[in-house]
Amino acid sequence: QKEVEQDPGPLSVPEGAIVSLNCTYSNSAFQYFMWYRQYSRKGPELLMYTYSSGNKEDGRFTAQVDKSSKYISLFIRDSQPSDSATYLCAMGVIQGAQKLVFGQGTRLTINP
Amino acid sequence: DAGVIQSPRHEVTEMGQEVTLRCKPISGHNSLFWYRQTMMRGLELLIYFNNNVPIDDSGMPEDRFSAKMPNASFSTLKIQPSEPRDSAVYFCASSLGNRFSGNTIYFGEGSWLTVV
Repeated sequence: QKEVEQDPGPLSVPEGAIVSLNCTYSNSAFQYFMWYRQYSRKGPELLMYTYSSGNKEDGRFTAQVDKSSKYISLFIRDSQPSDSATYLCAMGVIQGAQKLVFGQGTRLTINP
Repeated sequence: DAGVIQSPRHEVTEMGQEVTLRCKPISGHNSLFWYRQTMMRGLELLIYFNNNVPIDDSGMPEDRFSAKMPNASFSTLKIQPSEPRDSAVYFCASSLGNRFSGNTIYFGEGSWLTVV
């Protein structure tokens, strides 16, 4: 079993829809949760990060963490064609190792 | 800020040849990472350095792979001899690793390697 599981998709939705992307994890030591966005033929770029359970909002994006269920989500409101990309969740332990464990990535397409 | 700089961006080589990928991390960052990304396996950490010292190389697939960081501004990942199954995108990334910055990692644009 992988430490981090993420449905690779692909996921295709119409413009303006609410998008929900999810990851589950098995390692309860993870304390730091991140979402990266990767456009085609580019490197991943940090989108959001959070340390704690609950919701964190940034514009049209909301990151949600449920440590009791070992489940994290990224919601995109009013999705735009420019949001079309692969979204990767990543997790790490704050203190000590600098390692992040990434999910497989979900390929998202927003159709105009 | 120039970001993480990788070279070459694209490389096509024949099986058995040596491949060297290069990376310049963001100035001031003290942690450097080499990742490999494939459709089948996603993004995998190969090795990471902290203050130029290799900390964890458990992700290096086999002895054909080696990585060095001779100074704070340069690292190489070498594959010798290369095999077709090494075809992937190799990302270098860096971070300012301390307890207050967390684990925010900044990626380069990748080196796209094809071994034929």
